[in-house]
Amino acid sequence: NAGVTQTPKFQVLKTGQSMTLQCAQDMNHEYMSWYRQDPGMGLRLIHYSVGAGITDQGEVPNGYNVSRSTTEDFPLRLLSAAPSQTSVYFCASSYLASSYEQYFGPGTRLTVT
Amino acid sequence: GENVEQHPSTLSVQEGDSAVIKCTYSDSASNYFPWYKQELGKRPQLIIDIRSNVGEKKDQRIAVTLNKTAKHFSLHITETQPEDSAVYFCAASEKEEYGNKLVFGAGTILRVKS
Repeated sequence: NAGVTQTPKFQVLKTGQSMTLQCAQDMNHEYMSWYRQDPGMGLRLIHYSVGAGITDQGEVPNGYNVSRSTTEDFPLRLLSAAPSQTSVYFCASSYLASSYEQYFGPGTRLTVT
Repeated sequence: GENVEQHPSTLSVQEGDSAVIKCTYSDSASNYFPWYKQELGKRPQLIIDIRSNVGEKKDQRIAVTLNKTAKHFSLHITETQPEDSAVYFCAASEKEEYGNKLVFGAGTILRVKS
């Protein structure tokens, strides 16, 4: 199993550009989520999904969109990048009922200039 | 919603000493409390977790204690080694209609000096 994979590893955007961060898992996990990590602020939840076709907002959803068309994939879209979105983004997945452990992807380091 | 506070923000210990990191949570309905370790440039990885029906759990040099009445839980690392140096995050689950959302503390930078 590859576990949770994310692409790209690094990305530089100009203010106003849009892009999609990709996340995929091959563990048949129902629950998938996106976090951003900023220095001194821990991991903050952006959006999450409890299954295909079901998404909901987390703590810091503004400026981001998600969709979940399949169990495996959970892309995060930045609509119009802003310098405040410079961060490290982690995708995570877990089973919904039988286990609470969340498995994290390797992260995407995004810089917005 | 749930709020998790973590202390201290940085902790330096001598190799072989013990380290203790403390977290408090606000939602009495939270029932799952994991601890993640993140090495520099790496992804967070689960090191130990505890559920609300248990007061203490131990795994070799790592233990977690939970006080539901006071709404706080702690990570204890004994006989620290240089490879324990990392950022540690506590989290609490926030019960939702479907599944559980994790709310993380701000993290503790642990430095083990040899």
